[in-house]
Amino acid sequence: DSGVTQTPKHLITATGQRVTLRCSPRSGDLSVYWYQQSLDQGLQFLIQYYNGEERAKGNILERFSAQQFPDLHSELNLSSLELGDSALYFCASSAQGNTEAFFGQGTRLTVV
Amino acid sequence: AQSVTQLGSHVSVSEGALVLLRCNYSSSVPPYLFWYVQYPNQGLQLLLKYTTGATLVKGINGFEAEFKKSETSFHLTKPSAHMSDAAEYFCAVSASASKIIFGSGTRLSIRP
Repeated sequence: DSGVTQTPKHLITATGQRVTLRCSPRSGDLSVYWYQQSLDQGLQFLIQYYNGEERAKGNILERFSAQQFPDLHSELNLSSLELGDSALYFCASSAQGNTEAFFGQGTRLTVV
Repeated sequence: AQSVTQLGSHVSVSEGALVLLRCNYSSSVPPYLFWYVQYPNQGLQLLLKYTTGATLVKGINGFEAEFKKSETSFHLTKPSAHMSDAAEYFCAVSASASKIIFGSGTRLSIRP
C-alpha cells in the first residue's frame, strides 16, 4: 500500500459528460501528480501541484482541469468526455524535497 | 527538457536467465532517474532510484541499475529471472522535485 488513495476505482460514463476524480496523497506529501495511461499513448504526465499551486503542466487537454485543496487532496475534472478519454488515471504524491513519487491504484475511466 | 527512451517494448527471457531492460535518457540538467514496475491492474511501484553518488543502484526484488553519464543510460538488470518478475517496467527521469517523465514501458515476460 503506497498510502495514496484514489476514488473511485472504476467509472463508466457517457460521452459529453463530466467527471471528477479524487486523490488523497500520502500523509505529509505536498506534491501531487496526475498521469493518464492509455494503450496508445502510454503513461502521460498531465499536471503537478505543490502545496496548492500548479507547478508543472504536461499534455493536459483544455477540457481537463485540476486543483489541490488546502488539506492537500486533489481533484482532476474531466469534461465534455470523448471515447478517447477512456484510460487509467493515476495520482502520485511526493514529499517536499524528495524526488520519487508514490502512486495510487488508479481510476479506470470508461467512456461509452 | 527531459525525455526517456526505452529500447524494446517487449522482452522475453527464460526463468533463471539474466534480465536486461534498456533505458536512455536526455536531460539538460543532472537527472534523477527511476525504475518503476507495474503489475496487472495495479499502480506503479518504485523499484530503485538514482539521485547522486554511487552510480550502481540496488533496488527491491534483486534488481539493480547503473547510471552511465557518458552513455546517458540507466539500464535495469537482474541476474536471475523469476516468474514473479513478469510485469511492465518503466524508466523515468526528473529534474529536481518536478514532474517525472516516463518512458513508454517494457513488458517483461518470463518463459518457464
